[in-house]
Amino acid sequence: DQQVKQNSPSLSVQEGRISILNCDYTNSMFDYFLWYKKYPAEGPTFLISISSIKDKNEDGRFTVFLNKSAKHLSLHIVPSQPGDSAVYFCAACKTSYDKVIFGPGTSLSVIP
Amino acid sequence: DVKVTQSSRYLVKRTGEKVFLECVQDMDHENMFWYRQDPGLGLRLIYFSYDVKMKEKGDIPEGYSVSREKKERFSLILESASTNQTSMYLCASVAPGEGLAGSWYFGPGTRLTVT
Repeated sequence: DQQVKQNSPSLSVQEGRISILNCDYTNSMFDYFLWYKKYPAEGPTFLISISSIKDKNEDGRFTVFLNKSAKHLSLHIVPSQPGDSAVYFCAACKTSYDKVIFGPGTSLSVIP
Repeated sequence: DVKVTQSSRYLVKRTGEKVFLECVQDMDHENMFWYRQDPGLGLRLIYFSYDVKMKEKGDIPEGYSVSREKKERFSLILESASTNQTSMYLCASVAPGEGLAGSWYFGPGTRLTVT
């Protein structure tokens, strides 16, 4: 039973447009939500996070939105660039020390 | 700059072999994790360790064991490799006291193929 779900295995977006990656979770005990980016043959790298007391967090071109009542979060990338093409993992945990539960990932392709 | 290294980028082993995957971090982190990544399944936790000699099972520990004899090194052992253990294996290290789970650092991964 997947606690963190990413229902779109892949997404294609034109360069310059907005990319929206969605994530749903089932465990209401999760307090921290994270997005990781992974290039082929590399380990995941941390992108952006949000704690459950917030509904939005921005870092440059990346914004994460959290809707706790819907148990849904999304990552917005504006504007999308070809270098953003990667697999994006949504992840969640109960505390900052707890094990992180990852979603299955969404492969983003940004077309020049 | 935190560095998490894994002993091999690519490994090919035969069914039934004992396989050792090594992970080393150079920042004195207490918490270390082993995940495997498979298409459509994301990263699944195999084992983790909060300190030397301590280990806890993750979500899919069957067929694996771990060793943490020194703080900087966390080894994943496949006792008798099977073809369904063909996967990308990722080690992670977590900085203590930094609060948010964003202070996780991943190694580059080991692509293991069991034939």
